[in-house]
Amino acid sequence: EAQVTQNPRYLITVTGKKLTVTCSQNMNHEYMSWYRQDPGLGLRQIYYSMNVEVTDKGDVPEGYKVSRKEKRNFPLILESPSPNQTSLYFCASSLLPSGPHGNEQFFGPGTRLTVL
Amino acid sequence: QQQVKQSPQSLIVQKGGISIINCAYENTAFDYFPWYQQFPGKGPALLIAIRPDVSEKKEGRFTISFNKSAKQFSLHIMDSQPGDSATYFCAASTPGTIGFQKLVFGTGTRLLVSP
Repeated sequence: EAQVTQNPRYLITVTGKKLTVTCSQNMNHEYMSWYRQDPGLGLRQIYYSMNVEVTDKGDVPEGYKVSRKEKRNFPLILESPSPNQTSLYFCASSLLPSGPHGNEQFFGPGTRLTVL
Repeated sequence: QQQVKQSPQSLIVQKGGISIINCAYENTAFDYFPWYQQFPGKGPALLIAIRPDVSEKKEGRFTISFNKSAKQFSLHIMDSQPGDSATYFCAASTPGTIGFQKLVFGTGTRLLVSP
């Protein structure tokens, strides 16, 4: 089954304790992205990657790191989490768009993070 | 600054009614306008999308209406059903280098269809 998986699905942690949220896709997509979803703010892009070893900042990158060492994996790293990073996080992937179809993004199930 | 403005924030519609969600944008370089549907506990999923060379696209009970001159687009859900209760996000995309298109999302509309 074609899918994007994220782990963990739920995480409660404390301020300053480094954590990693994993993301993996099995569709051989070049493009992967991380979003955070907050009430009233919609989905905001944190980082994205257009291929292995190619990453770039999205709209809200502060406090986050990513890496893309393999095509299928795109982990999100919070080196020193703070309470304002409490949010619902989504990983997404897509083919690099070509033709008339645009870039349908396939989303993972989400990771709900609480930073105390 | 929100590049895509979505309204209303929440919407309650009776079963069988029409649900209408509106989005407006400023960037005339946007050339792809998808709508994503998100059920509780799930990630968003593409519902329907339109390009600005057409004014309307229909897929089953879901229709996108697009007004290029007004820089507005809307999602209409005909004969709304309780199973349509979800959060809907409009989005817009600009062409970029080497075919990459960045999606910008609206703030979302929580739709509740009452039985």
